[in-house]
Amino acid sequence: DAGVIQSPRHEVTEMGQEVTLRCKPISGHNSLFWYRQTMMRGLELLIYFNNNVPIDDSGMPEDRFSAKMPNASFSTLKIQPSEPRDSAVYFCASKQRESTDTQYFGPGTRLTVL
Amino acid sequence: GENVEQHPSTLSVQEGDSAVIKCTYSDSASNYFPWYKQELGKGPQLIIDIRSNVGEKKDQRIAVTLNKTAKHFSLHITETQPEDSAVYFCAAIPYSGAGSYQLTFGKGTKLSVIP
Repeated sequence: DAGVIQSPRHEVTEMGQEVTLRCKPISGHNSLFWYRQTMMRGLELLIYFNNNVPIDDSGMPEDRFSAKMPNASFSTLKIQPSEPRDSAVYFCASKQRESTDTQYFGPGTRLTVL
Repeated sequence: GENVEQHPSTLSVQEGDSAVIKCTYSDSASNYFPWYKQELGKGPQLIIDIRSNVGEKKDQRIAVTLNKTAKHFSLHITETQPEDSAVYFCAAIPYSGAGSYQLTFGKGTKLSVIP
């Protein structure tokens, strides 16, 4: 079975541009998570969906960040406008359902904002 | 909220030796403690986990121990091999009662196994 799929794997953009990161969770998984990883702050949870509904977005740093999950097999994380401090690796993870524990991570998207 | 402290931040061992990574957590309601291994350029991968009703769990060369009273848990890797070199993260999940099952991660330990 395919794991969590993320695209693009690398993104380089200029400050002020819109960036959209994409995630396809494991088929049949009902919970989806977006994380950001930096050297300074480690792995941080940005937002968490259950059954396509955002449950907790308290980790979203600013209004420039938004996330959607239009269906069970697709989610996007958008940054508009992007800033250099948004440079990080963004991971998507999914798990079978809300009450289960094991999360499976995708390979990540390395974002560089110049 | 939950706070997870992880030590050491870097660890170098000779091939064949054992490696131990320790984590402490703050929320006594935490009941699930996974360990993830992250290789360069990849996402974290679950290697072992333990629940609060168990004190120790083993899987071949990897073991995890949990002390609920002291609120700490540890990862033990025996007979280390070069392919064990990676960054290891501990995590904890507190049950918030509101249906939120969020992982709180430690800062990671970079393990280097020297051939």
